[in-house]
Amino acid sequence: DSGVTQTPKHLITATGQRVTLRCSPRSGDLSVYWYQQSLDQGLQFLIQYYNGEERAKGNILERFSAQQFPDLHSELNLSSLELGDSALYFCASSVGGGGRGEKLFFGSGTQLSVL
Amino acid sequence: GENVEQHPSTLSVQEGDSAVIKCTYSDSASNYFPWYKQELGKRPQLIIDIRSNVGEKKDQRIAVTLNKTAKHFSLHITETQPEDSAVYFCAAPNNNDMRFGAGTRLTVKP
Repeated sequence: DSGVTQTPKHLITATGQRVTLRCSPRSGDLSVYWYQQSLDQGLQFLIQYYNGEERAKGNILERFSAQQFPDLHSELNLSSLELGDSALYFCASSVGGGGRGEKLFFGSGTQLSVL
Repeated sequence: GENVEQHPSTLSVQEGDSAVIKCTYSDSASNYFPWYKQELGKRPQLIIDIRSNVGEKKDQRIAVTLNKTAKHFSLHITETQPEDSAVYFCAAPNNNDMRFGAGTRLTVKP
C-alpha cells in the first residue's frame, strides 16, 4: 500500500457526461500529480498541484480540470466525455514541489469506461 | 521539456537469463532517474532510482547504470524469475513534474 488513496476504483459513464475523480495523497506529501494511462500505453502526465497551487501542466485537454483543496486532496474533473477518454487515471504524490529528484508514489488508479 | 525514449517495447527472456532495458533523455540538467514496475492491473511501483552523482546502483538482482555524457540510463535484471514479468517504465524529471518512457513489457518464460 503506497498510502495514496484514489476513489472510485471503477467508473462507467456515457459520452457527454461529467465525472470527478478523487485523490488523497500520502500523509505529509504536498504535491499531487495526475497521469492518464490508455490501454497498453504509457503514463501521460496531465497536471501537478503543490500545496493548493497548480505547479505544472502537461497534455491536459481543455475539457479536463483539476484542483487541490486545503486538506491537500485533489480532484480531477472530466467533462463532455468521449469514448477516447476511457483510460486508467492515476494519481501520485510526493513530499515536495517536484523539482529534480522527487520520488513519486502512485495510487491504485481509477478505471474510467466511457460507453 | 524533457523527452524520454525507452527501448525495447517488448522483451522476452528465459527464466534465469538477464534482461536490459534502455532509456535516453534529452535534458542535460536532469539529475534523477527512477524505474517503475507495473504488474497487470496494478499501480506503478518504484523499484530503483539513481541520482546523477553516481554511475551505478544495485539492489539485489536489479541494477541501474547512468551515462550522463550520452544521456542514457539502463535497468539490468539478473537471474530473471517469472514474477519479474511486468511492464517497466523509466522516467526523468521535467522541471517540476516527472515524464515517463513508453514502457517495456518484460515476459520471463519458465
